[in-house]
Amino acid sequence: KAGVTQTPRYLIKTRGQQVTLSCSPISGHRSVSWYQQTPGQGLQFLFEYFSETQRNKGNFPGRFSGRQFSNSRSEMNVSTLELGDSALYLCASTVDHSTDTQYFGPGTRLTVL
Amino acid sequence: GQQLNQSPQSMFIQEGEDVSMNCTSSSIFNTWLWYKQDPGEGPVLLIALYKAGELTSNGRLTAQFGITRKDSFLNISASIPSDVGIYFCAGRGGAGNMLTFGGGTRLMVKP
Repeated sequence: KAGVTQTPRYLIKTRGQQVTLSCSPISGHRSVSWYQQTPGQGLQFLFEYFSETQRNKGNFPGRFSGRQFSNSRSEMNVSTLELGDSALYLCASTVDHSTDTQYFGPGTRLTVL
Repeated sequence: GQQLNQSPQSMFIQEGEDVSMNCTSSSIFNTWLWYKQDPGEGPVLLIALYKAGELTSNGRLTAQFGITRKDSFLNISASIPSDVGIYFCAGRGGAGNMLTFGGGTRLMVKP
């Protein structure tokens, strides 16, 4: 069974631009969560989607948004990029929102110049 | 918000030694999870704990869910070079039942 895939793996943007990251969960998984990982702040929860609905949201500004499609694939968008948005963005999928066993993708490394 | 204190932040040990790391919280969690992250990869789930006092093993790894539900530890016995990586604890609980991660323990093993 294929694991969680994230595209692109690496991305370089400049301040003020916007970016869209994609995540394809494991087949049959309906819940997708997004995390931001930085050396200083560690792993921080962004949001969780289940059946195309946002179930939980972390403490991030409104520039960070996401959505989930009917096939469970998810995208997250960051608008008006800031230098501090440089991070590894991780996506994790689970069968459903009641399951704790999250499977992480390899992440998208975003660098903002 | 909920805070997870994970210690130590880093460890440099000799191959064959046992390793112990722990996480403590000011809040009660319903679930404790332990992950390992290799460079350039996402975290991989090692052990999941669901009940206070639960002790679970996965090969050379053993983890326990503290009785108070505010702490957990992970032990690695007879370390080998491939144990190198960053180990994260994570607790689930509180409003929204969200997952909160510890700061990680970077493990280095000298052959």
